[in-house]
Amino acid sequence: DVVLTQSPLSLPVTLGQPASISCRSSQGLVYSDGNTNLNWFQQRPGQSPRRLIYRISNRDSGVPDRFSGSGSGTDFTLKISRVEAEDVGVYYCMQGTHWPRTFGQGTKVEIK
Amino acid sequence: QLLESGGGLVQPGGSLRLSCAASGFTFTSFAMTWVRQAPGKGLEWVSSISGDGVITYYTDSVKGRFTISRDNSMNTLYLQMNSLRAEDTAIYYCVRGIFIMDVWGQGTTVTVSS
Repeated sequence: DVVLTQSPLSLPVTLGQPASISCRSSQGLVYSDGNTNLNWFQQRPGQSPRRLIYRISNRDSGVPDRFSGSGSGTDFTLKISRVEAEDVGVYYCMQGTHWPRTFGQGTKVEIK
Repeated sequence: QLLESGGGLVQPGGSLRLSCAASGFTFTSFAMTWVRQAPGKGLEWVSSISGDGVITYYTDSVKGRFTISRDNSMNTLYLQMNSLRAEDTAIYYCVRGIFIMDVWGQGTTVTVSS
């Protein structure tokens, strides 16, 4: 199985400051069609997960542009340029290339 | 939109069938997925099914116990869960897609306890 390792697992951030979450994969994530199906999800307290970023760097409609995704190969990153109060929650990376599908452990973002 | 139902309290060894009613998109055009989240834990992929219902995938821990299916005439996804165990206790989410999972339901809670 593909193991996705997120770091850090806890991320206290000051409002207005940047935040960065790493997701490292135990295998490459390029699918046979050439796409790399590494996605990022946000789960706010008490809510369902919501997709933020798909295929490494494509931001979903309605997602603020302070969120960005990058990476290649086995190393991927989610960045928040300036953290706002509404960004509090748990962030998960997920790979949609290999079976079984797998998620990272989750990174809890909180305000200092 | 995805709307799950069918969760509840069940004894170990019991069965439940979850349903997910889809609306607002062409259901047959999309593979579908079930993802679960145990209390206080992270997300875990459970099962996926192709758009035509022919191809199915399962995580090892549910193989032989859970069956994913769909009724494309009713725009509904199902998860039949048999031989339930305490470790199956979780919120179960219905998700559109298998590669980039873009739409999630609100979840339905399954509690396995005596």
